Amino acid sequence: AQSVAQPEDQVNVAEGNPLTVKCTYSVSGNPYLFWYVQYPNRGLQFLLKYITGDNLVKGSYGFEAEFNKSQTSFHLKKPSALVSDSALYFCAVTPLDSNYQLIWGAGTKLIIKP
Amino acid sequence: DGGITQSPKYLFRKEGQNVTLSCEQNLNHDAMYWYRQDPGQGLRLIYYSQIVNDFQKGDIAEGYSVSREKKESFPLTVTSAQKNPTAFYLCASSILGATNEKLFFGSGTQLSVL
Repeated sequence: AQSVAQPEDQVNVAEGNPLTVKCTYSVSGNPYLFWYVQYPNRGLQFLLKYITGDNLVKGSYGFEAEFNKSQTSFHLKKPSALVSDSALYFCAVTPLDSNYQLIWGAGTKLIIKP
Repeated sequence: DGGITQSPKYLFRKEGQNVTLSCEQNLNHDAMYWYRQDPGQGLRLIYYSQIVNDFQKGDIAEGYSVSREKKESFPLTVTSAQKNPTAFYLCASSILGATNEKLFFGSGTQLSVL
């Protein structure tokens, strides 16, 4: 079965330190990959996506993600965390043979401590 | 401001009752989606629509119904057949519904059972 895994339910980082939120996937072929962020009691906001090309993708709010085909991973990163980055982060994948069906990870709660 | 408006923000359903969640967008997007979010789980697709008067079932369509009579509107009805309706419901849209497009989300409706 095709799936997306976010192995950490929660990630704690001190403000100013680099952060990584992990995502691995198991889908057929070369997928499109996405990261979204959700603030409390709100809808999701798009951060970035990988379609093709450079493995390092830059997105909103200083976030970036690195696509690693051999490890089937798409980890979200930021060089210096802000307290305002605290939120729920979702990785999502679309297999190329699908029709409009994103496969979502369960989400990772990111807590940035001052 | 362009965006997606969901209403109400909170909704309570009595047993045996049908309830309707509203979703309106002024982004001129062709595609619209309904997702269900449960704590600790990824989003699950209920229904989606790429064009007026046409819609497709997602992974968990049982107990739900939709209509798409206007491009701007995609209401979701939670019927009495849905035995576990308590969840956060998210409406989303995208420009054409292509698999490499980002989604724009509304702020969600929290549905609870009385």
